[in-house]
Amino acid sequence: AQSVTQLDSQVPVFEEAPVELRCNYSSSVSVYLFWYVQYPNQGLQLLLKYLSGSTLVKGINGFEAEFNKSQTSFHLRKPSVHISDTAEYFCAVKRGSTLGRLYFGRGTQLTVWP
Amino acid sequence: DADVTQTPRNRITKTGKRIMLECSQTKGHDRMYWYRQDPGLGLRLIYYSFDVKDINKGEISDGYSVSRQAQAKFSLSLESAIPNQTALYFCATSDSGMQETQYFGPGTRLLVL
Repeated sequence: AQSVTQLDSQVPVFEEAPVELRCNYSSSVSVYLFWYVQYPNQGLQLLLKYLSGSTLVKGINGFEAEFNKSQTSFHLRKPSVHISDTAEYFCAVKRGSTLGRLYFGRGTQLTVWP
Repeated sequence: DADVTQTPRNRITKTGKRIMLECSQTKGHDRMYWYRQDPGLGLRLIYYSFDVKDINKGEISDGYSVSRQAQAKFSLSLESAIPNQTALYFCATSDSGMQETQYFGPGTRLLVL
């Protein structure tokens, strides 16, 4: 089974500051990588995904993530956060050879302060 | 209208009671999933189904059962609820293929007393 490690359970940051949420996964021959966001009292929605091609992936709301195969990482970044980015963020991994199973990290709570 | 709906949205029940959580989708997806979310533990997979005749256990299936009544409907049952099943439950769907994205329902908050 895959394992997904989100290194920070909570990340507090001030509005307009940059942020990076870290994600590492156990290695596999090929993987698909995802970031999901959960706003308060809502379900999860897809933020961005890496399937193949360029290692820098852009998602919604100004977020981007970089796939680093050698470091087995898929860190999420945003150059300037807004209050509305306060949410829980989940990294997820799917092996390229396995159909359907997503493995989720434990989540990182991003809190943006004014 | 929401593509993935869950009923009920909130439920309080007592230890030993049987309870069913229902999920419906209008996305036409073959695959459906049930997860539970606990603070600090992220999402853990309970059961998943790749089509109507296919049911698979996830990481934490003990104490749960499922029924895939139709392509669009996937129900989760707790035969005899216990307090440590208190959690937020999510249904998700995805289409076939290696690169599918999962789409989540709004969740059911369950409290077992």
